[in-house]
Amino acid sequence: KNQVEQSPQSLIILEGKNCTLQCNYTVSPFSNLRWYKQDTGRGPVSLTIMTFSENTKSNGRYTATLDADTKQSSLHITASQLSDSASYICVVSVVSSNTGKLIFGQGTTLQVKP
Amino acid sequence: KAGVTQTPRYLIKTRGQQVTLSCSPISGHRSVSWYQQTPGQGLQFLFEYFSETQRNKGNFPGRFSGRQFSNSRSEMNVSTLELGDSALYLCASSLGTNMNTEAFFGQGTRLTVV
Repeated sequence: KNQVEQSPQSLIILEGKNCTLQCNYTVSPFSNLRWYKQDTGRGPVSLTIMTFSENTKSNGRYTATLDADTKQSSLHITASQLSDSASYICVVSVVSSNTGKLIFGQGTTLQVKP
Repeated sequence: KAGVTQTPRYLIKTRGQQVTLSCSPISGHRSVSWYQQTPGQGLQFLFEYFSETQRNKGNFPGRFSGRQFSNSRSEMNVSTLELGDSALYLCASSLGTNMNTEAFFGQGTRLTVV
């Protein structure tokens, strides 16, 4: 069964600290993996998108890693800011023949406190 | 450049009614995908339209349908509404198929079924 699991479910950190969010997937055939940030009441915003051959990708203070062998990804946030408080969603794209779908994780809710 | 626009932002409907939601993609984007987001299930993929054709489909009943017009604008229809259809409905547009290219989300339509 195609699944994407994220951990932890929620996280509280102090402003300025770093944190790492995890994503494990059992999806086949894998096309790409994305991380999205979703603020409360708004649509998700893309942070990174990685294909099978990419191990790491950065977007400012956000760095995503991908290990296609172990089917794990992580999102590292450096020097957190209050505006980083949001839900972070891991999404895996499955493509076979001419069909495809996106499998979403349940998200990690991050709260950054002053 | 205008982003993805969804209308209406909020909607209240009664069980058994039907509803139509609208999504205008970013200019030049040919793919529009629809998603349902609920607290219990998280984000789930409904379907994707590309050049007026449904390209990919998630695991939702036939009460959920959609279409795309020649100007890439898309509508999603839900018939015979159930209480469980209460959710945030998001659409996303992409330059190519949403399975392989970055998706840009709208703010969503919050549907409440009473």
